[in-house]
Amino acid sequence: DVHLLESGEGLVQPGGSLRLSCAASGFTFSDYAMAWVRQPPGKGLEWVSSITSTGGGAYYADSVKGRFTMSRDNSRNALYLQMNSLRAEDTAVYYCAKYRSVARSPFDPWGQGTLVTVSS
Amino acid sequence: AIQLTQSPSSLSASIGDTVTITCRASQGISSTLAWYQQKPGKAPKLLIYDASSLESGVPSRFGGSGSGTDFTLTISSLQPEDFATYYCQQFNSFPFTFGPGTKVDIK
Repeated sequence: DVHLLESGEGLVQPGGSLRLSCAASGFTFSDYAMAWVRQPPGKGLEWVSSITSTGGGAYYADSVKGRFTMSRDNSRNALYLQMNSLRAEDTAVYYCAKYRSVARSPFDPWGQGTLVTVSS
Repeated sequence: AIQLTQSPSSLSASIGDTVTITCRASQGISSTLAWYQQKPGKAPKLLIYDASSLESGVPSRFGGSGSGTDFTLTISSLQPEDFATYYCQQFNSFPFTFGPGTKVDIK
């Protein structure tokens, strides 16, 4: 079974940094693009970032561009999201997700999520 | 960026009802649309991909249709476990976008 497990949950002050990780298992990690999606408390889903299977390309939502960096280590089956210059509006549950197929596709499955709280 | 709107934003329905949720894209996206179900405190679950293809393991009472700008999710014979929030998502181009969601609750 495919399994995605996020870690890195935390409370951070505005302007601070946090690094999220996602451990993947149950599939050939290096074959698939991956994504981060977030959900502020009580609100809807927002795509944050995607990365190609090799890590050679990453794409970002305008709301995080220049502040967040997505990366991966295919030797460790691990995905990362480095978040800098955090703002209150970055408070959300962050999900990592696998692309459903090796081609352009939606996300399936998703991890259980990890909560990031930005507050002073 | 491609905007997605969903209607209704919420609805109340009874067990056994047929429910229809619509999703409209601000520009044509061919069939690059997915539907997800999310229950409180849980991660979203993919139901439909490529506008009308049922994900493996998803009950056949879920169905999707549409292409271009107008899409529909239909749930036939609503079951207790179907009460949840439903989101559409376009994966035609970056930035990927989600609709605002439709909450289905018990009448």
